[in-house]
Amino acid sequence: AQTVTQSQPEMSVQEAETVTLSCTYDTSESDYYLFWYKQPPSRQMILVIRQEAYKQQNATENRFSVNFQKAAKSFSLKISDSQLGDAAMYFCAYRSENFGNEKLTFGTGTRLTIIP
Amino acid sequence: DTGVSQNPRHKITKRGQNVTFRCDPISEHNRLYWYRQTLGQGPEFLTYFQNEAQLEKSRLLSDRFSAERPKGSFSTLEIQRTEQGDSAMYLCASSLSPEYEQYFGPGTRLTVT
Repeated sequence: AQTVTQSQPEMSVQEAETVTLSCTYDTSESDYYLFWYKQPPSRQMILVIRQEAYKQQNATENRFSVNFQKAAKSFSLKISDSQLGDAAMYFCAYRSENFGNEKLTFGTGTRLTIIP
Repeated sequence: DTGVSQNPRHKITKRGQNVTFRCDPISEHNRLYWYRQTLGQGPEFLTYFQNEAQLEKSRLLSDRFSAERPKGSFSTLEIQRTEQGDSAMYLCASSLSPEYEQYFGPGTRLTVT
């Protein structure tokens, strides 16, 4: 079974600064997807960024980028130029690429606070 | 595209009562997923459907839980004889196909007293 570990329950960053959230995972599979989801207070979860394991290039979406280290099974999220609207719970998630195995496996989350 | 909707948003019930939640996915999405999220934890997978077929059920889904998607559109999740341990946020998500993003609804928060 796959597991996802987020070792930082809480993080804070000054507005306009850069912050990195950590995620490690365990799997015996070679083909899979990794995701970062954002869950603002009392609002629904939205996808921030995704990474296919077969791609060596790290994914980037505007101010959000990942550092994907497949051998180390590490998948960190970097948020540049932090904004007040980035305050949320961030969840790292894993999904197998195997047919029929579509569930997302989530970590326990990191609560990000933005300091004005 | 109105997004995934869930009703009710909040439900308070007494232990032993039955409750039913509804999820309406994005209209063209044939995949529908149910997750449960307890305080301080990430969502945990419960079950998912491809159209009306229920393809996988987690061990978390005890005999008291049942989910249906009768016409391949909306889905219901029923919990019979609720227990205090069932208190959680129940999240629904849908996707166009396995390769695509799962879009989440706002959730139904269940409190069992």
